[in-house]
Parts: sequence; C-alpha cells; structure tokens
Amino acid sequence: DVKVTQSSRYLVKRTGEKVFLECVQDMDHENMFWYRQDPGLGLRLIYFSYDVKMKEKGDIPEGYSVSREKKERFSLILESASTNQTSMYLCASSLQGAGNSPLHFGNGTRLTVT
Amino acid sequence: AQSVTQLGSHVSVSEGALVLLRCNYSSSVPPYLFWYVQYPNQGLQLLLKYTTGATLVKGINGFEAEFKKSETSFHLTKPSAHMSDAAEYFCAVSETDTGRRALTFGSGTRLQVQP
Repeated sequence: DVKVTQSSRYLVKRTGEKVFLECVQDMDHENMFWYRQDPGLGLRLIYFSYDVKMKEKGDIPEGYSVSREKKERFSLILESASTNQTSMYLCASSLQGAGNSPLHFGNGTRLTVT
Repeated sequence: AQSVTQLGSHVSVSEGALVLLRCNYSSSVPPYLFWYVQYPNQGLQLLLKYTTGATLVKGINGFEAEFKKSETSFHLTKPSAHMSDAAEYFCAVSETDTGRRALTFGSGTRLQVQP
C-alpha cells in the first residue's frame, strides 16, 4: 500500500513565522501535490511537482513556495505565515499525471496561525 | 481552467435510503472524472473514476456514477445508504484538453446517514 506521510497532524504558528510542512511518499511516485482544504471551498491546488526540482504553480500559490530535492519528499513553505493561511493542508502523490493513476493522500496537517 | 460544481454542501439520508450526490463540470471537452471520499480525520481516497468507455462506472462500497455528456454531469449514487457511508465526498476532474497534471476538485458534499 502506498503511504503518504505528513510530518505533523497539528501545527500552531505565529503570524510572520516561516513554516515548513513536510510530506514523504514511499512508492517512488513522480508526481506530488499540495492542496489546502477549507470548508465550502473544497480542495484548492497550491503547487505540484512532476519530478525532482521541478514544480508548477497551482491555483493559489501566493504566499507559498515548495521544495523537492529528493523524489520522495515534497515540502511546502510559508515564507511569512498569515492568519488567512490557517487551514487544513493535504499532500498527495501519484505515479502518473492527473487522471492516469489515482491520487494517494496523506492524513493532512491542520495549521493554525495566530 | 475547469470548474466543478457540487450541488448541496450537506445531504442527509436515512439508513437504507438512496444516496444521490450531484456533480457538474464545465468543459467542452469531456474530462476524466473522479469521486473521492474523505472519512473523518483521514485523507481522501478514490471511490471511482471515468476515463473512457462505459458511462456507468462502479466503485468501492457499492457506489456508482454515470457520465452524462449532454448534461455535463457525473452524479454519484448508492441504492441503500449505510451508517458507514457518512463522510465528505468530492467530485474532481482532470483537464484532458490542457494536459494539466493536477486534478480540480469541487467544494465537497458532506453526507449524513440517520439511523
């Protein structure tokens, strides 16, 4: 079974802090994704990566950056956390691009910025 | 970019009743279509998907969905709800015309099952 592990289940950070959310997958998947989930808005794509050191902006990249130095690890970085970034963050991976193989999700990191 | 509309943010049914969760997409080119389910405190998992071929697709746990091109819809159904079906359900599409590698998700529908 594919396992996608997000390092923290809950995080509380202060406004202005630099925040790192880590995600690791164990199935040698090419593609990794970061979504944020908010009530009534569903999942919105922040960034995705289709190979090591390769990344593409999603629909809401502002205020975020990502890093993929190794195939199994995809990090989401909030350069200067703000209260409107309080949300549930979901990491996912897939063997092939969208639609050609299923997305495997982690259990999420609930981030609160105070 | 594609958009996905899920009608009804909350749906409540009685145990044993029909489940119908609605999904419409906006595209002139039929996309690939998906339903994912999220149980409490978990990530999402794939229920079923439509790519090509038969328009009625069957998924796990007795769910099925029918692709209707003329209605740009992909509604999810289950003949008889079970308490364990209580979860949030997300419809998603992939953009076959643009080749975008990521899925676009709808806003989700939370299903409650009453005893």
